[in-house]
Amino acid sequence: ILNVEQSPQSLHVQEGDSTNFTCSFPSSNFYALHWYRWETAKSPEALFVMTLNGDEKKKGRISATLNTKEGYSYLYIKGSQPEDSATYLCACLNAGGTSYGKLTFGQGTILTVHP
Amino acid sequence: SAVISQKPSRDICQRGTSLTIQCQVDSQVTMMFWYRQQPGQSLTLIATANQGSEATYESGFVIDKFPISRPNLTFSTLTVSNMSPEDSSIYLCSASGSWYEQYFGPGTRLTVT
Repeated sequence: ILNVEQSPQSLHVQEGDSTNFTCSFPSSNFYALHWYRWETAKSPEALFVMTLNGDEKKKGRISATLNTKEGYSYLYIKGSQPEDSATYLCACLNAGGTSYGKLTFGQGTILTVHP
Repeated sequence: SAVISQKPSRDICQRGTSLTIQCQVDSQVTMMFWYRQQPGQSLTLIATANQGSEATYESGFVIDKFPISRPNLTFSTLTVSNMSPEDSSIYLCSASGSWYEQYFGPGTRLTVT
C-alpha cells in the first residue's frame, strides 16, 4: 500500500506572505506526482504533473519541485492572496504492482490566507 | 481537457437507504474512477469503472456496497447501498485519457443520518 503524506495539515498565513508545503511519497516504483488545488464545492484543479528528479514547474505565483530519489515534493506560493485559500492535494502515480495507473492521494494541506 | 458534472451535488439520506450518483463527461475517455473522501481522510480510490464490464474494486470496497455502472465512454454511476453514518463523505468521479491527466467532477457531498 502506497503511503503519501502531506505536511502541514493546515496553514494560516497573512496576505502577501510566501508559503510552502511538503508531499512525501515512496521513491520505489515512482512514476509521476500530481499536484491539485481544491476549493470547496468545486472540482479539484490540476496544477502540475511532475516526473523527473529535479523537475521544477511554475504557474504564476505557484511553483513546485520534485526529488524522486528521496521521495518528496515541495509546493511554493509566493505572495499569497486570499483567493489562494484552498486545499492543496498531492497524488502519487506508481508503476507496477497493484497501484499501477492509479493515483494515491495525501491528506491535503488546507491553506487559509487572511486579508 | 474534460469537463465532468456530477448529480446530485449534495444529499442528506437516512440510514438503510441507497443513493445513486451520476457522473457525466463531456468527451469520450478511456478511464473513469470513483473516489471517496471521508472527513479528515485522504481521497481514496473506490473502483475503476470499466465500460461494458464489471468495475474493478480496490481493497476494502465491494460490489454489493458500491455497485458501479458504465454503459458508455462518457457516463458512469455509483450507488452507495444500505447507507450508514460512516458513508458520510464526499464522492468524486474522475476521468482520464492518459497517466498525466486526470480530471475530477465537483463531488457529491453525502450526509447519512
